[in-house]
Amino acid sequence: DIQMTQSPSTLSASVGDRVTITCRASQSISRWLAWYQQIPGKAPKLLIYKASTLEIGVPSRFSGSGSGTEFTLTINSLQPDDFATYYCQQYNGYSRTFGQGTKVEIK
Amino acid sequence: QVQLQQWGAGLLKTSETLSLTCAVYGGSFSGFYWSWVRQPPGKGLEWIGEINHSGSTNYNPSLKSRVTTSVDTSERRISLRLTSVTAADTGVYYCARAGRELSSFDYWGQGTLVTVSS
Repeated sequence: DIQMTQSPSTLSASVGDRVTITCRASQSISRWLAWYQQIPGKAPKLLIYKASTLEIGVPSRFSGSGSGTEFTLTINSLQPDDFATYYCQQYNGYSRTFGQGTKVEIK
Repeated sequence: QVQLQQWGAGLLKTSETLSLTCAVYGGSFSGFYWSWVRQPPGKGLEWIGEINHSGSTNYNPSLKSRVTTSVDTSERRISLRLTSVTAADTGVYYCARAGRELSSFDYWGQGTLVTVSS
C-alpha cells in the first residue's frame, strides 16, 4: 500500500499569509496527486489534480507542485474562506490513499 | 450538471451489514470509476473502494474482506455493502466520481452518517 504523509497536521496563519502544506508518498506516484479542501459538515472539494492542475472555478491563489514522492500545496494571500482542512490523495491505477489532513486555523 | 444523491440506513447494530446506494444524475455514467469514501467523526478521509460501469472493482486492502460494491447501469446507481460492522465503522460515508483521468474525485454525494451501536 502507498502511504501518504502530510505536514504539518495543524497550521496557524493570518489572513493575507502565504501557507504551504507538504504531502509525501511512500513510493513514487509520478504526478497522480490531488488536493482537497473540506469545511466541517461538507463533502471535500477538489482543488488541484495531477499535482498542479487547478480545478475549474478554484481561485488562482491555490497552486500545487511536485512529482514522484514529494508534493506541496501553496495558498497565496490566505482568505477567510480558506480556513479549513486540506487533504492530499494519491492514485496508482488500482488504489487510492488520502493523507491524514492539515487543518489551517486562524492565528 | 452532475449530481450524486445517496441514501441508506443510518443506524446499525454491531455485526449487521451496512448498505448504501448512490444515484448519478447528469453527465456520463461510463468512463469513470465510482468510489466510496468514509470519514469517522473528527477524523480524516478513508477510501473504501470503487466500481466502474462494466463492474470492474478496486478495494482498500484493509476493508476488502468485508466490502462489496455493485453497479446498476440502467438505473445509474452504485451500491456499497460492508458486512460485520463494528463501532469503528461509524462515520460519514460519501460516494464520489473519480474523474480527471480517473485520478481524483470531482463530484461528491452529500454524505450519509452511519452510526453503529451495540
